Amino acid sequence: DAGVIQSPRHEVTEMGQEVTLRCKPISGHNSLFWYRQTMMRGLELLIYFNNNVPIDDSGMPEDRFSAKMPNASFSTLKIQPSEPRDSAVYFCASSFPSGRTDTQYFGPGTRLTVL
Amino acid sequence: GENVEQHPSTLSVQEGDSAVIKCTYSDSASNYFPWYKQELGKRPQLIIDIRSNVGEKKDQRIAVTLNKTAKHFSLHITETQPEDSAVYFCAARNTGTASKLTFGTGTRLQVTL
Repeated sequence: DAGVIQSPRHEVTEMGQEVTLRCKPISGHNSLFWYRQTMMRGLELLIYFNNNVPIDDSGMPEDRFSAKMPNASFSTLKIQPSEPRDSAVYFCASSFPSGRTDTQYFGPGTRLTVL
Repeated sequence: GENVEQHPSTLSVQEGDSAVIKCTYSDSASNYFPWYKQELGKRPQLIIDIRSNVGEKKDQRIAVTLNKTAKHFSLHITETQPEDSAVYFCAARNTGTASKLTFGTGTRLQVTL
């Protein structure tokens, strides 16, 4: 398995532009997580899905952020409009919670820079 | 909700020495405690985890201990090597929040020669 796939790996955009980050979870995993990592705030959970349904979006900073999971193999995180303070590394992770293992596997991340 | 505190924020040890990182959690219902290692510019990766029905778990040079009564757990790295230099995150999960992990703020470990 290729692991969790994220695209793009790097994104540089100007303030006000729409940004879409993409994630393909590990095949067979039914939980998907979006995290944001910055030096100041550490690793923050933004939203997570279970069986394609959003379970907890309390970490989404504001209405400019939205996430979708139209099927088991694809999710997007959209920021519209983007602002400089959104600059961070965004990680997607997936897992298959069971009685034996709950390991979350992280993707390589998308480094977003908003100018 | 769950709150996880992690100490110290930075730790410098000499090669061959031991390193200990400590975390506390607030929710007594938490039952799963993983530790992640993140090297510079890389993704977090699981290195060891422990469940609430176990007090200690070892994997070569790495061990994790859990004290449910005190609600704290610790990562122990023995015979540290330069490649252990990274940021380490603890996390906690409880059955009430399904898959959701709450992460600590991270410890930057530097192993010096």
